[in-house]
Order: sequence, then structure tokens, then C-alpha cells
Amino acid sequence: NAGVTQTPKFQVLKTGQSMTLQCAQDMNHEYMSWYRQDPGMGLRLIHYSVGAGITDQGEVPNGYNVSRSTTEDFPLRLLSAAPSQTSVYFCASRLDVRNTGELFFGEGSRLTVL
Amino acid sequence: GQNIDQPTEMTATEGAIVQINCTYQTSGFNGLFWYQQHAGEAPTFLSYNVLDGLEEKGRFSSFLSRSKGYSYLLLKELQMKDSASYLCAVRNNYQLIWGAGTKLIIKP
Repeated sequence: NAGVTQTPKFQVLKTGQSMTLQCAQDMNHEYMSWYRQDPGMGLRLIHYSVGAGITDQGEVPNGYNVSRSTTEDFPLRLLSAAPSQTSVYFCASRLDVRNTGELFFGEGSRLTVL
Repeated sequence: GQNIDQPTEMTATEGAIVQINCTYQTSGFNGLFWYQQHAGEAPTFLSYNVLDGLEEKGRFSSFLSRSKGYSYLLLKELQMKDSASYLCAVRNNYQLIWGAGTKLIIKP
């Protein structure tokens, strides 16, 4: 059982470049989300989705776009990378949308923006 | 505002017991999670408390006091593999508010 799969694991970008972080889950989870993790700070929610075709902003959405065309996939797009977006990004999913279950995390994507 | 406080770092000895505290001030409360995160890896679920009291799961236990806005994670019979960060997260309606995590260092 693959769980939550994120790619790439590492990426270096130049300021202004765009890229997409991929996330897929094979557990038929309704809820999917993207977090960033920075030193000394808690996980911060970027965007989330409660089902195919439905997305919403989290705490720090600026500079990022998402879409949810299928239940399985939830890509995160950086439109024009900035050094402030250097971080570790985690995709996470949960079976239900009511927030009563545990989150399953992908392995993380370490992004450096020069 | 929303605030979750955890100690930044703790050190303990292999075989001992350690208690990691988490205090929270949030606009709402629907439950509290503890996750473990080894360096360079993803967080993994440890426990979930929604009612006051102690929940025991093997060597790990988690306690919640809603009136005090306080939780702790108790780790017994510490093993070297318990060296990790421990993240506290409060469920507030449909979202999670995360603490910065406590890095636990285990010494032989």
C-alpha cells in the first residue's frame, strides 16, 4: 500500500521559476492538504481540498495554486518562486472531511529557491 | 489569537521516562493530536485526545485537561529510536493548529 506519494523529494529553483509538486494517495481519502514546515515553526497549512473539484485556502496560500481534478491527486503549483518559499513541503490526506481522523503524510519535498 | 506552546528541546536517558508538555490557547477546541517526526521524515500519528484524562498506548501515553488548556505526552522505557521531534496539534473545527514541536534527544 503506497499511501501518500510526493514528488520530487528535492528541488532547487531560481527566483521567478515555476514548478509543480505532485501528490497522490491511493487510500480513497476525501481530504487532502499541503503544509510547509520551517525551522522553529509549526506546520502551516497552504491549501486544502475536501473532495474532487473543491479546494480552499489555508493559512499561507499566497504564491501557491492547487487543483483537485481527481480524488487521488492534489498538485501544488508555485507560480513564481521566491526565496521565502524555501521550505519542506508535506502533502497529507485524511479519510474524512470532518477532521476526526489522523493525517497521513507524504515523505516531504525539500525546496530551495536561490 | 491561536497559540500552542511546547518546549523546543528536551534531553533524556535511555530507559528513563520523559514528559513532553503542550499548552494551548485557541478560539475553539475539538481535540488534540500528538505526532512523532524523525529527522528528515514525515510526521506519523501517535495519539488523539478529545476528552479529559489519560490515554495509554504501549510505552506512550497522552493526557488532556481541557479546562487548563494542557496536554502532555509521556514516554516510558525510552529507546534510542524515540529520538525525534514530537508535534502537538489542536483541532479547531475543521482545521489543525500545530505547535513548533519538541526535539527529544535520548542519551545512552
